[in-house]
Amino acid sequence: GESVGLHLPTLSVQEGDNSIINCAYSNSASDYFIWYKQESGKGPQFIIDIRSNMDKRQGQRVTVLLNKTVKHLSLQIAATQPGDSAVYFCADILTGGGNKLTFGTGTQLKVEL
Amino acid sequence: DSGVTQTPKHLITATGQRVTLRCSPRSGDLSVYWYQQSLDQGLQFLIQYYNGEERAKGNILERFSAQQFPDLHSELNLSSLELGDSALYFCASSVRESNYGYTFGSGTRLTVV
Repeated sequence: GESVGLHLPTLSVQEGDNSIINCAYSNSASDYFIWYKQESGKGPQFIIDIRSNMDKRQGQRVTVLLNKTVKHLSLQIAATQPGDSAVYFCADILTGGGNKLTFGTGTQLKVEL
Repeated sequence: DSGVTQTPKHLITATGQRVTLRCSPRSGDLSVYWYQQSLDQGLQFLIQYYNGEERAKGNILERFSAQQFPDLHSELNLSSLELGDSALYFCASSVRESNYGYTFGSGTRLTVV
């Protein structure tokens, strides 16, 4: 994961469009990745996870893609809805190397009506 | 409601003071994790307990300590508070020691003045 700066990257999308949120991780040995959604005033909420032996995993309206070659993770949200407005974080972990998640830079997703 | 309960929701205290943050994990969860979220550092792992025992330690200051009680609730003690300790403190829980799909609570917002 990367440090979070004072100003989060922002992604603005129109309602109904697809959203793609990107994340770069730094530890090439990380073998498990998670996306979290954090709405204002709430704690992070688990969205979807993926192990390093996979390239893609799909959930309900969400897809996570993992490119280990360039250490890049993306979250795709289909048919974005106003309720998707939140800050999205990726997190990675090296299983067996301690139980802490390292959170990446958050992205503020704004859904415009 | 995530099932993870944190109290208090807000806390304002002066520098040099000591506070205790409390967390009740989701029913059935044995692992408790503490995270600090500040503007300039993002989400930082502090410490993990599993069934009463410390399991992993992150960037936790010596002025901070935590414990997990027999009923599985956890407390995070912050002492000799400094202005820079102002942050959101999140507790998360999971069933197993190495289940990384944590469920987060809504956090305690600590303001040190």
